Amino acid sequence: GAVVSQHPSRVICKSGTSVKIECRSLDFQATTMFWYRQFPKQSLMLMATSNEGSKATYEQGVEKDKFLINHASLTLSTLTVTSAHPEDSSFYICSARMGTDTQYFGPGTRLTVL
Amino acid sequence: DQQVKQNSPSLSVQEGRISILNCDYTNSMFDYFLWYKKYPAEGPTFLISISSIKDKNEDGRFTVFLNKSAKHLSLHIVPSQPGDSAVYFCAASVRNAGNMLTFGGGTRLMVKP
Repeated sequence: GAVVSQHPSRVICKSGTSVKIECRSLDFQATTMFWYRQFPKQSLMLMATSNEGSKATYEQGVEKDKFLINHASLTLSTLTVTSAHPEDSSFYICSARMGTDTQYFGPGTRLTVL
Repeated sequence: DQQVKQNSPSLSVQEGRISILNCDYTNSMFDYFLWYKKYPAEGPTFLISISSIKDKNEDGRFTVFLNKSAKHLSLHIVPSQPGDSAVYFCAASVRNAGNMLTFGGGTRLMVKP
């Protein structure tokens, strides 16, 4: 199956700093990448959709200036959490899609903001 | 307003028996459905999918059934194995509208040896 990687897997940062999370499709070119957030014991919530070379589309309630998404190539998307606060602590998961159907997910990144 | 619901938060099954996970949806525009398996602190793993033009899709031990009139789908795992213990999410999308996934709340499956 298609492989999607995320880096880092875990990150701890101080309040007010920015954190960048990378998402890569390793064996396919992803026309679209997605960023999700999962709170403990809850489902995945879509944050934004990004297509290579264009601006990301953010879901309602997600601050685009706080969660910066860059989809620089068909195999790489980055999510930068700017001026992180403790309430941003969460599990962030990316997914990548080739074509129009199945999304393949990365392993996730656990962000802890102190 | 949850468009995709998994009403059973957990399910316990004996090894070797059948596991049946259920999912209901309200949006009649959904035309593509997927099941994902997820372990704690990991990303979801794609299991199986079904298009709305079908009512059944089978892949090894996994079979997904779709009942469009009831807006209901189910995942059957047979025989269940202890390694199947995980959280299972169903997801739905509208193919010609961006194909964004809407996830259910998940069902935790525990397969006992």
